[in-house]
Amino acid sequence: NAGVTQTPKFQVLKTGQSMTLQCAQDMNHNSMYWYRQDPGMGLRLIYYSASEGTTDKGEVPNGYNVSRLNKREFSLRLESAAPSQTSVYFCASTDPGQGGTDTQYFGPGTRLTVL
Amino acid sequence: DQQVKQNSPSLSVQEGRISILNCDYTNSMFDYFLWYKKYPAEGPTFLISISSIKDKNEDGRFTVFLNKSAKHLSLHIVPSQPGDSAVYFCAAWGGAQKLVFGQGTRLTINP
Repeated sequence: NAGVTQTPKFQVLKTGQSMTLQCAQDMNHNSMYWYRQDPGMGLRLIYYSASEGTTDKGEVPNGYNVSRLNKREFSLRLESAAPSQTSVYFCASTDPGQGGTDTQYFGPGTRLTVL
Repeated sequence: DQQVKQNSPSLSVQEGRISILNCDYTNSMFDYFLWYKKYPAEGPTFLISISSIKDKNEDGRFTVFLNKSAKHLSLHIVPSQPGDSAVYFCAAWGGAQKLVFGQGTRLTINP
């Protein structure tokens, strides 16, 4: 199992450009999440999808859109990139219905720079 | 409004000694807490968790303590090893299937 995969690993954009960050998981999890990590801010939730067909805003959703394409895939789109969106983006998945530790499993991240 | 706080951005500990990482939370509705470890250029990985019905959970060298009255939890690593050098995030389940993370503490283990 690959776990959670993200593409691309690195990206440089100019202000105003658009791009989509891709995320896929092969653990048959129902819930998927997008976070951004900034120095001194920890991990902040952008959007999440509790199950296929549903999406909800997190703490910092402005400037982003998401699509839960199917159970495996959850993409994050920046329609018009701004320098404030320079960050490291992490995708995660979990399956709260299975109980246990309710652990979220994270992808390796996408480092995005907006000039 | 930071609901989960890690007030120490960094911590330096000698190899073999105990590392203690602290975390405070404000929301009394939080009922499950986790610690994640993150190496550079990698995603966070789950380390250990604790339910609010317990006050201690051990896993090898790692122990998490929960003090509900003080809304405080701590992670103890004994003995500390060079491979423990990483950023540690405290997190709490905040309902609606959302994890709330602290800012992280960078732990450095010195030989």
